[in-house]
Formats: sequence, structure tokens, C-alpha cells
Amino acid sequence: AQSVTQLDSHVSVSEGTPVLLRCNYSSSYSPSLFWYVQHPNKGLQLLLKYTSAATLVKGINGFEAEFKKSETSFHLTKPSAHMSDAAEYFCVVLSSGTYKYIFGTGTRLKVLA
Amino acid sequence: DSGVTQTPKHLITATGQRVTLRCSPRSGDLSVYWYQQSLDQGLQFLIQYYNGEERAKGNILERFSAQQFPDLHSELNLSSLELGDSALYFCASSRSGKLDEQFFGPGTRLTVL
Repeated sequence: AQSVTQLDSHVSVSEGTPVLLRCNYSSSYSPSLFWYVQHPNKGLQLLLKYTSAATLVKGINGFEAEFKKSETSFHLTKPSAHMSDAAEYFCVVLSSGTYKYIFGTGTRLKVLA
Repeated sequence: DSGVTQTPKHLITATGQRVTLRCSPRSGDLSVYWYQQSLDQGLQFLIQYYNGEERAKGNILERFSAQQFPDLHSELNLSSLELGDSALYFCASSRSGKLDEQFFGPGTRLTVL
């Protein structure tokens, strides 16, 4: 069975400093992985996706993620945090058998001025 | 704006009542998904439809049902409502319902009093 674990429920960074949001996955097959962002009282927006092409995936708003098979990780990074990045971030694995999204529990990112 | 629309935005009702949530997918998308987001359960997949047919079921209660119509819009019906059904209900759509990304609507916030 596939699963995804977000290692931090809350992360705080200062504006202008790097962001690292951690995600580990479990999958018997080559997984499809996604990161979504949810701003308060909004729907989920796709940041980026990995589907077995390049291991370093670039997304919107300066975010990127690196797929590391040996570490079963798909961490989300951004070189310099902006106040507008404050939101909840979800790591998602797409089950290859059932085509269902399996969500992590989310990481709430706080950006301090 | 993802192109997925949901109505209504907010719904307040009483226990025991029945409500219908509506979703219109992005133009060209054949698959619709329903999710429930609550503080204690996180994001839970409820059900998926593809081109009018049910494709996958998640943690959907028997009191809940859904359908997808020939014009591809979908409705989620919630009956015999309980306090614990209060949550944010999201609809998402995707092209094929397989290994492609999902685009989320803004959600319907349901409050059961």
C-alpha cells in the first residue's frame, strides 16, 4: 500500500530565509508525487508534480522538490521565503493501482517578518 | 482560479437534514473527485466519478451519495446530517482520472448545528 508522511506539522521561517518541508513516501511502484498548497479558506493549488521524468522538479512561485528514491523522499524547498508563502502544504502520492490521491497530514508554514 | 466551481460556498443547516453540494469540473475534464476536510480527519477522499460512472470509493458514509451527470457536473448528497459532518467539502477534477493531476475547487463549508 502506498502512503506519505509529512515529518513536520508546523515550520516557522523568517522572511528571506530558505524553506524546507519534508515528505517521505512509501510505494511498491514508481510513484507519482505532488505538492499542493492551501491558503486560508481557499482550495488546494498544485505547486509541482513528479511523474518519473527529471528528479528535480520545478514548480510555481519559486518552489522545487527533489525525488530521491534511495531515501524515499520528496522534500519541498524554496531558497527565500516570502510572507505570501504562509499556508498549509500537502504532499500527495497517487496510488498507481486505484488512481486515488493519498494525502499527507499537512505542514503549516509560518513566515516571520 | 483552477476552473473548478463549487456551489454553495457556505451552508448552514441542522442535524437530521439533507443537503446537496454541486461541482462543475474544468472544461474537458472527465473525472470528478469529492473530498472532505475536517480538523480531526484531515483530507479524506470520498468518491470518484469518471464520465458518469463511479470509479473509486473512499471513506464515504452510507448517508452520503454522489452522481455525475451527462454534462459532467457532479452533486454530493449528504443526508441525516450529524454534527460531525461539519467540514469543508472539496471537489476536484482531472482529464482522465488516472495518472494526471487534480485541480481543486474552492470548497463548500458545511456547518451542521
